Amino acid sequence: AQKITQTQPGMFVQEKEAVTLDCTYDTSDQSYGLFWYKQPSSGEMIFLIYQGSYDEQNATEGRYSLNFQKARKSANLVISASQLGDSAMYFCAMREGQGAGGTSYGKLTFGQGTILTVHP
Amino acid sequence: DSGVTQTPKHLITATGQRVTLRCSPRSGDLSVYWYQQSLDQGLQFLIQYYNGEERAKGNILERFSAQQFPDLHSELNLSSLELGDSALYFCASSVAGGLGEQFFGPGTRLTVL
Repeated sequence: AQKITQTQPGMFVQEKEAVTLDCTYDTSDQSYGLFWYKQPSSGEMIFLIYQGSYDEQNATEGRYSLNFQKARKSANLVISASQLGDSAMYFCAMREGQGAGGTSYGKLTFGQGTILTVHP
Repeated sequence: DSGVTQTPKHLITATGQRVTLRCSPRSGDLSVYWYQQSLDQGLQFLIQYYNGEERAKGNILERFSAQQFPDLHSELNLSSLELGDSALYFCASSVAGGLGEQFFGPGTRLTVL
């Protein structure tokens, strides 16, 4: 079963507008972490934001915020005031707590990604 | 700049060959992770080392191996290369064994001809 689902293969947004990239996850762990990464066309993976499962407040980092809805198992990324440089692939990822046998020590499971295009 | 370095940036080789990819984690990070990104498989976890010891294994082929040295740098060895091994290989590091953010290196793009 897919653990991280990003249902939007591509999204378009006008410069200076806000955009929400969807991410849902599946886990039976109580302790887990959710991450968003940006991959521009140059290929590097840039860490954007992190949310722990026990964090009561939504994470924010500058123009990025994570809309964490635990009961719905969703961790959507909100980018406010989009800029042309935000055009990139965006990945949602999850780090589960200790898996069966205690072997999941921090590995990330990624979604398929969403390509965001910002129009001027 | 994440502070994680990877060399080489690009690697072109032939089927059947063996290559070594190198990664230096951020200063102070004890954990190193290797990921493979390909068009058909997406981003997949390969293997994790923590302070020199193997900690977790993902879908890593038997033809692939890795190690982490006392100075904490890591190497990923890929042997008997096949066309399907062409991918972008990332190294990431984090402070502890499982907690905290993972910062990725720039990646090594491997092309097998």
